Amino acid sequence: DADVTQTPRNRITKTGKRIMLECSQTKGHDRMYWYRQDPGLGLRLIYYSFDVKDINKGEISDGYSVSRQAQAKFSLSLESAIPNQTALYFCATSILGTGELFFGEGSRLTVL
Amino acid sequence: GQSLEQPSEVTAVEGAIVQINCTYQTSGFYGLSWYQQHDGGAPTFLSYNALDGLEETGRFSSFLSRSDSYGYLLLQELQMKDSASYFCAVREGSGNTPLVFGKGTRLSVIA
Repeated sequence: DADVTQTPRNRITKTGKRIMLECSQTKGHDRMYWYRQDPGLGLRLIYYSFDVKDINKGEISDGYSVSRQAQAKFSLSLESAIPNQTALYFCATSILGTGELFFGEGSRLTVL
Repeated sequence: GQSLEQPSEVTAVEGAIVQINCTYQTSGFYGLSWYQQHDGGAPTFLSYNALDGLEETGRFSSFLSRSDSYGYLLLQELQMKDSASYFCAVREGSGNTPLVFGKGTRLSVIA
């Protein structure tokens, strides 16, 4: 089983719909992240959380919200999806002081 | 803010050596990481340099020069399976900050 699990893996939705992407981890890491990947743009940070009571905006947080329900769970929500949010979304975890992130398998979202 | 520059594409021959450069501009610096991503897959960690010098892990090596704000990933004895995208990423300041990624370098290994 994967240490960092994302659901759903693929989702097609319509403009204006609310979407939630979920991430759970069994690594016991305090730090969790949501990144967005678009072709040619690399990975851009949406939100991150260093512990259950800590939520921080990243580079591109507009149009997104997150919830850290437990140490192991970090969800990303699109309250009203729009087509330019079509992208591949990655959840990741880490421990303090290292440059190593552990990524989930990704959630491909298409907004029509 | 911060910015990272790496070539968008590199092509190399199977069995050869290739170097992927990364230059960065940050308000502080804690370390440079490298990730590999195959098509359809998730990024996977390759290496991390916090201090100047070369770190070697099998066929892959990573180098950092903090004074030049520069690093590179060196891949030796290239194999077809090395065809992938490679990302450099920096951590600023004290380390209590998330990684910021470059836009990636697409490596194509040809026969």
